[in-house]
Amino acid sequence: AQSVTQLGSHVSVSEGALVLLRCNYSSSVPPYLFWYVQYPNQGLQLLLKYTTGATLVKGINGFEAEFKKSETSFHLTKPSAHMSDAAEYFCAVSPLDTDKLIFGTGTRLQVFP
Amino acid sequence: DTGVSQDPRHKITKRGQNVTFRCDPISEHNRLYWYRQTLGQGPEFLTYFQNEAQLEKSRLLSDRFSAERPKGSFSTLEIQRTEQGDSAMYLCASSLDRLEQFFGPGTRLTVL
Repeated sequence: AQSVTQLGSHVSVSEGALVLLRCNYSSSVPPYLFWYVQYPNQGLQLLLKYTTGATLVKGINGFEAEFKKSETSFHLTKPSAHMSDAAEYFCAVSPLDTDKLIFGTGTRLQVFP
Repeated sequence: DTGVSQDPRHKITKRGQNVTFRCDPISEHNRLYWYRQTLGQGPEFLTYFQNEAQLEKSRLLSDRFSAERPKGSFSTLEIQRTEQGDSAMYLCASSLDRLEQFFGPGTRLTVL
């Protein structure tokens, strides 16, 4: 069965520092890949997705992620963290034969001034 | 576009009682999904509708859980004979295609 691993349940960075949130999936066939963000007391919001084509995808709020098939990874990055980026981030996959999303356990990002 | 709405936002019930949650998707979306999220975990898929047809159910969905989507619009999720282990956030999402699911704010269930 497909699974998603997010390394690091908590990540802390200083404002202006690089953000790197890690995600690996288990599948011999690359699924569709997603990053969602959940702000406190709000619903999940799609940050970006990879389906086909260019492996570096750009999303909202300056985030981007790169699909690396050889590493079965889809890490999320942002060059310069902002205080407003503090939230919980979820990596998710959707196998090609189903519409459902399979989520990782999430990474809580803290941004310090 | 008013987004996905869920009602109620919070529900406290006693063990053994039945509860029903409602989800109203974005109006033109034909796909509707239910997920469950417990503390410290990512959402777990429960079930999925395309229009009024229930196309997939998770093995997590015991026979105490039932979901419907009459007329392909709103959906209800009913839990019968609730147990303390059912305490969680129940999330609904809708989509026009499989590439972007829009999530509602969730219904937080507490079973005492």
